Amino acid sequence: QSALTQPASVSGSPGQSITISCTGTSSDIGSYDLVSWYQQHPGKAPKVIIYEVNKRPSGVSHRFSGSKSGNTASLTISGPQAEDEADYYCCSYTGSRTFVVFGTGTKVTVL
Amino acid sequence: EVQLVESGGGLVQPGRSLRLSCAASGFKFDDYAMDWVRQAPGKGLEWVSGISWNSGNIGYADSVKGRFTISRDNAKNSLYLQMNSLRAEDTALYYCAKSSNYDSSGYFTGWGQGTLVTVSS
Repeated sequence: QSALTQPASVSGSPGQSITISCTGTSSDIGSYDLVSWYQQHPGKAPKVIIYEVNKRPSGVSHRFSGSKSGNTASLTISGPQAEDEADYYCCSYTGSRTFVVFGTGTKVTVL
Repeated sequence: EVQLVESGGGLVQPGRSLRLSCAASGFKFDDYAMDWVRQAPGKGLEWVSGISWNSGNIGYADSVKGRFTISRDNAKNSLYLQMNSLRAEDTALYYCAKSSNYDSSGYFTGWGQGTLVTVSS
């Protein structure tokens, strides 16, 4: 099971939106609505910000939204703030004996 | 509040073994699947292994299959990872993660702070 593909870095200003893509295959993202997104600040444990493609856990900012089309999932940060600077990882259920696969990770910079 | 505390990491020579533990509290442990996720220094997250609530469903990443064994003791609210035949590429911070449901799905609702494993001669 290969890692899901994400851009290494993206950037945007507070007046814009940032979108991170996550490309998998028909065996993972394409087959299940079980895509999660994690935010990780330096030296900290990851924190879930989106689950089941587009659901936000309680307490997560409405700036974060998720979507999926075919084998590609996306995370959008609307009007990013300084505190959103972090690494972001997508994650998908695979339905195989390798249950879960993470993305390669994206570093977000807020200009 | 979910609390997960990993232990057992350290410096180990290639080819040797190590056993990681994760002590869970703040939730009904035997209702949830549990997983191990690792992160090599400066690198991304890698799912390592997962175990369902009753140990009936277990999975491993290809990179550790045949070398690592996951287990749990619901009476002790504990998760374990037995790591054998360790390699330099196993060097990483190992996180214990709580799944959202009785089977692993990639939706992790709790994470520990990690225990560092360094494989070096």
